[in-house]
Amino acid sequence: GAVVSQHPSWVICKSGTSVKIECRSLDFQATTMFWYRQFPKQSLMLMATSNEGSKATYEQGVEKDKFLINHASLTLSTLTVTSAHPEDSSFYICSAEAGTIFFGEQFFGPGTRLTVL
Amino acid sequence: QQPVQSPQAVILREGEDAVINCSSSKALYSVHWYRQKHGEAPVFLMILLKGGEQKGHDKISASFNEKKQQSSLYLTASQLSYSGTYFCGTDHDRGSTLGKLYFGRGTQLTVWP
Repeated sequence: GAVVSQHPSWVICKSGTSVKIECRSLDFQATTMFWYRQFPKQSLMLMATSNEGSKATYEQGVEKDKFLINHASLTLSTLTVTSAHPEDSSFYICSAEAGTIFFGEQFFGPGTRLTVL
Repeated sequence: QQPVQSPQAVILREGEDAVINCSSSKALYSVHWYRQKHGEAPVFLMILLKGGEQKGHDKISASFNEKKQQSSLYLTASQLSYSGTYFCGTDHDRGSTLGKLYFGRGTQLTVWP
């Protein structure tokens, strides 16, 4: 299968600071990447769909100005949590779709645990 | 658009069977099944693309009833390694949603020796 990495694995930051999370597809090109957040013992909630070279599409209720997504290349998407607050603490997971190789299958990164103090 | 999974939790002895159901109120294009261990990312199990399709590998299989807008995951002769939380992800219309998946709340499966 294809491999997706995320960096960092975990981050602790102070309230009011911004945090950038990187998602990379290591051995395939991903025209579409997805960002999810997951609270403890809860489901994966889709935040946004990231397409290379275009603006991200956000799900209803997700603040686009707070969660900035950039899909600069076919192997890299970044999520920046701006002016983070404790309620933003969560597990953030990205996934990438290798549509031409593994139709419809999404490969998930290992996730980034964000803790905002 | 979040699908409904049932049951919420299952406790099994090694070697027993389990069924996890996933149903949607909207028409489905495909159903994806994942297993997640605590603190780890979800791991892909299988995808079902066509109504009536059934798939399996090892002792885990799944079916997709397009008309009923539901899918079931079957785990037979469960092993300790099957423990984890199982999620179904539903794709409602690939043309318009570009493969976006909406996940159920998960079914926590615990297998005891």
